[in-house]
Amino acid sequence: DAKTTQPTSMDCAEGRAANLPCNHSTISGNEYVYWYRQIHSQGPQYIIHGLKNNETNEMASLIITEDRKSSTLILPHATLRDTAVYYCSGYFGNEKLTFGTGTRLTIIP
Amino acid sequence: GAVVSQHPSRVICKSGTSVKIECRSLDFQATTMFWYRQFPKQSLMLMATSNEGSKATYEQGVEKDKFLINHASLTLSTLTVTSAHPEDSSFYICSAPSLQASGEKLFFGSGTQLSVL
Repeated sequence: DAKTTQPTSMDCAEGRAANLPCNHSTISGNEYVYWYRQIHSQGPQYIIHGLKNNETNEMASLIITEDRKSSTLILPHATLRDTAVYYCSGYFGNEKLTFGTGTRLTIIP
Repeated sequence: GAVVSQHPSRVICKSGTSVKIECRSLDFQATTMFWYRQFPKQSLMLMATSNEGSKATYEQGVEKDKFLINHASLTLSTLTVTSAHPEDSSFYICSAPSLQASGEKLFFGSGTQLSVL
């Protein structure tokens, strides 16, 4: 499974878009890019995933580069409740999912 | 989405006792479940893969005799921390994959905070 690299921490002003980058240059062709977040002392929560195309759901947008070596998670209008640690990972169905160090996102009022 | 229930949410025990943590998939079946451990301010570390009807697969460095895993049914996996010691104090989280309309996703329990005195 893919090794991922993310910035350790980021701040974003409330109401602005939060853009979280992830490098996954070793991702294999059949692995999807998954994003999860973990709010303090809770289990991780699924956000979004994609293979090649950009994806959008009610929580976020995912932009994957054409070479699939990196991606960006976009929270369009960040709120204080979006403060969490965000993890990206490569994952292919029913196999184990491992987590990198993640990005600690802090939303500033 | 699918729901994974984990119990207990918090447990405090004396050194040398064993603690059992349950992980249930409430509205779907899971032939595989995953157990993670997380120390303060660190990422989740995969401990083992629980397989229904067969032995668990442990990650390198995880003692299988210390962390007993049983996956007796398609909706229940248990992790038993045997003879717990203070260094076993950690946040333990289980997860299970579920195939959804939008693709396969891992759903996580809410975690168990274990404190060994």
